[in-house]
Amino acid sequence: KAGVTQTPRYLIKTRGQQVTLSCSPISGHRSVSWYQQTPGQGLQFLFEYFSETQRNKGNFPGRFSGRQFSNSRSEMNVSTLELGDSALYLCASSLGPYNEQFFGPGTRLTVL
Amino acid sequence: DAKTTQPNSMESNEEEPVHLPCNHSTISGTDYIHWYRQLPSQGPEYVIHGLTSNVNNRMASLAIAEDRKSSTLILHRATLRDAAVYYCIFLIGPKEGSGNNRKLIWGLGTSLAVNP
Repeated sequence: KAGVTQTPRYLIKTRGQQVTLSCSPISGHRSVSWYQQTPGQGLQFLFEYFSETQRNKGNFPGRFSGRQFSNSRSEMNVSTLELGDSALYLCASSLGPYNEQFFGPGTRLTVL
Repeated sequence: DAKTTQPNSMESNEEEPVHLPCNHSTISGTDYIHWYRQLPSQGPEYVIHGLTSNVNNRMASLAIAEDRKSSTLILHRATLRDAAVYYCIFLIGPKEGSGNNRKLIWGLGTSLAVNP
């Protein structure tokens, strides 16, 4: 069974631009969560989607948004990029909100 | 706020047991304790989880204190491939009326080095 895939793997943007990251969950998984990982802050929860509905949201500004499609694939968008948005963005899928999560390799975003 | 406290780093020798501690004094009765680990240049992977009783699986054992304010992840025989950052995490259940589902609260983890 294929694992969680994230595209692109690496991305370089400049301040003020926007970016869209994509996540394809494991087949059959309906829950997708997004995390931001930085050296100083560790993993921070962004949001979680289940059956196309956002079920939970972390403490991030409104510039960070996401959505989930009917096939459970998910995208997250960051608008008006700031230098501090440089991070590894991880996507995790699970069968449901209370099941173990399977993580993708992440997208490394660098904002210049 | 709910949080976990772990040592920044630990060191072990190959084929020896490793005990990774975690304090979670603010845990509530319905919060599960999860452990994940992150190998270099990879996303985290699930290790084990528990609520009150000790748990075993093929990867590790989880010992939970009777008062649930601390837990210990036990790797019975460390290998070089076990070198990773180990995260002890709360799985906070939904609060009534909040409309929210679970939330995983991550700390900074323990970086485990395994010496050959």
